[in-house]
Amino acid sequence: RKEVEQDPGPFNVPEGATVAFNCTYSNSASQSFFWYRQDCRKEPKLLMSVYSSGNEDGRFTAQLNRASQYISLLIRDSKLSDSATYLCVVNGRGDNFNKFYFGSGTKLNVKP
Amino acid sequence: NAGVTQTPKFQVLKTGQSMTLQCAQDMNHNSMYWYRQDPGMGLRLIYYSASEGTTDKGEVPNGYNVSRLNKREFSLRLESAAPSQTSVYFCASSETPPGPRGYTFGSGTRLTVV
Repeated sequence: RKEVEQDPGPFNVPEGATVAFNCTYSNSASQSFFWYRQDCRKEPKLLMSVYSSGNEDGRFTAQLNRASQYISLLIRDSKLSDSATYLCVVNGRGDNFNKFYFGSGTKLNVKP
Repeated sequence: NAGVTQTPKFQVLKTGQSMTLQCAQDMNHNSMYWYRQDPGMGLRLIYYSASEGTTDKGEVPNGYNVSRLNKREFSLRLESAAPSQTSVYFCASSETPPGPRGYTFGSGTRLTVV
């Protein structure tokens, strides 16, 4: 079983739409959760950390559900510039605590 | 600007050739990592180094070696390249353990083995 699983998409949405992605993780002991954004042929860049209480950064909201072992990312009022692949990231277990595991990514296309 | 620098950006190798990918960070991070990214597979950890002088295997270490030359530099070596090593390689660094700023990535090396 993969450590982190995401729906690959693509999610095709019009500008101004609200879109949500989920990501499930297998390690119940994971403590660190992140969403990264990756543009085509570029390196991943940190979008936001995900905290237990949930957190918001402008149009982006991240939530953590430990009981069901998933994290979510909500994007409101989508912009053309939001088109990218969104990577879910969690840390490993035991000796792998310092290592991150990446999902395969969910592709978002925002259309005019 | 502080960050992670990788060289080269592009490389084509013939099967059996060797090469070293270079990575340097000026963020004063203790931990450094090498990942490869293949379509549909996500990022997979090849090797990592939690501090100068230490290295550990990740998920896919076969066919690779690494050297943590000093705190700033972490190199990845392919001794005998194979077509299966065609991929995009990313170096990253972080605090130990990674804090809320997570990893910082280099811009990647696109390697093709023919």
